[in-house]
Amino acid sequence: GAVVSQHPSRVICKSGTSVKIECRSLDFQATTMFWYRQFPKQSLMLMATSNEGSKATYEQGVEKDKFLINHASLTLSTLTVTSAHPEDSSFYICSAIWTFSRDSNTEAFFGQGTRLTVV
Amino acid sequence: SQQGEEDPQALSIQEGENATMNCSYKTSINNLQWYRQNSGRGLVHLILIRSNEREKHSGRLRVTLDTSKKSSSLLITASRAADTASYFCATGQGAQKLVFGQGTRLTINP
Repeated sequence: GAVVSQHPSRVICKSGTSVKIECRSLDFQATTMFWYRQFPKQSLMLMATSNEGSKATYEQGVEKDKFLINHASLTLSTLTVTSAHPEDSSFYICSAIWTFSRDSNTEAFFGQGTRLTVV
Repeated sequence: SQQGEEDPQALSIQEGENATMNCSYKTSINNLQWYRQNSGRGLVHLILIRSNEREKHSGRLRVTLDTSKKSSSLLITASRAADTASYFCATGQGAQKLVFGQGTRLTINP
């Protein structure tokens, strides 16, 4: 299957600093990527839809100025957590969408996730 | 908001037994997908079933879809300790967006 690489896998940062997380589709082009957040023992909560060449679409309740998303190429989307605080500590996961040409059904491939700890 | 509801939320069985997890959803879908997540890791795609399909198999996995009841089930046969993980259903809707269920935490006891 297709491969999505997410980096870093773990990061610890000080409160007030910014952290950038990268999501790359390694063997396919993804015009759309998604960013999720997951709290312990909970499901994935969609944060935003990252569209190549245009502004990201944020879900209700997600601060776009705090979670900056850039999708500058067909293989890379970045999520920057700005002025991080302890409550931003979470597991962040990206996915890139593969579209089947024959019927337009899609399959999402996920990165391995990034464990962010803000101290 | 999360659309899918899965039950049970947690399931613990003995190795070799079959595990069945259920997923219900609320709106129309293009497809339904099942994913597995090991603790602290990303998601691994298991199987996709399209809205015009009723049953699909992949190895020890069997997925059913009942669009009239808006529900799906995932059956893992002859479970192994390595199957211990959380399992999520996700419904594919318009604009390629996936909406995830709350997940089932499966524990296989050796």
